[in-house]
Amino acid sequence: QSALTQPASVSGSPGQSITISCTGTSSDVGGYNYVSWYQQHPGKAPKLMIYDVSNRPSGVSNRFSGSKSGNTASLTISGLQAEDEADYYCSSYTSSSTAVFGGGTKLTVL
Amino acid sequence: EVQLVESGGVVVQPGGSLRLSCAASGFTFDDYTMHWVRQAPGKGLEWVSLISWDGGSTYYADSVKGRFTISRDNSKNSLYLQMNSLRTEDTALYYCAKGSPYGGNTDWGQGTLVTVSS
Repeated sequence: QSALTQPASVSGSPGQSITISCTGTSSDVGGYNYVSWYQQHPGKAPKLMIYDVSNRPSGVSNRFSGSKSGNTASLTISGLQAEDEADYYCSSYTSSSTAVFGGGTKLTVL
Repeated sequence: EVQLVESGGVVVQPGGSLRLSCAASGFTFDDYTMHWVRQAPGKGLEWVSLISWDGGSTYYADSVKGRFTISRDNSKNSLYLQMNSLRTEDTALYYCAKGSPYGGNTDWGQGTLVTVSS
């Protein structure tokens, strides 16, 4: 159950787009279309932003989108806004019927 | 409105035991798989365990397997985590989350803090 690999930090200016990658293996990310993305602001509980690779829960802005290619999933945020500054975590279902998170990515809006 | 309220977090000595609870409301509890996820101070999220809607299937992270037991009481809309043989590395904020067998946890509690220290 090794953690999925995410960049430690990414940054962008307001209005720009950024992409956060999440790399796993064929036993998790690559093997199933069950990748989720969570946003966490300091001192707050995580919030689901994307599930099943590319689906947005009701109420989540369409500026957030997800995709997957092989063993790597990606979260793209377009039209960056100040309130998007947060930590982002990917998560995947695994072949052991468990779940695994990525190490997290700190997004800074410049 | 979905509400998940964790309780039971305290300071405990290494080797000790603890039982966390999560009280659920605002949804049909026994329709959903439930998860425990933890976050050590200043660190990332770590998945801990999940239990199926009927309690018939349970899964654990390798780091807690054999020491932690997840359970639920659907008559009380409650989720539990029995934690034994606690280690300093189990120190974390423990969240319960409503989800599916495949993740996509839509609702989270505010967490309960477990500190393992002598």
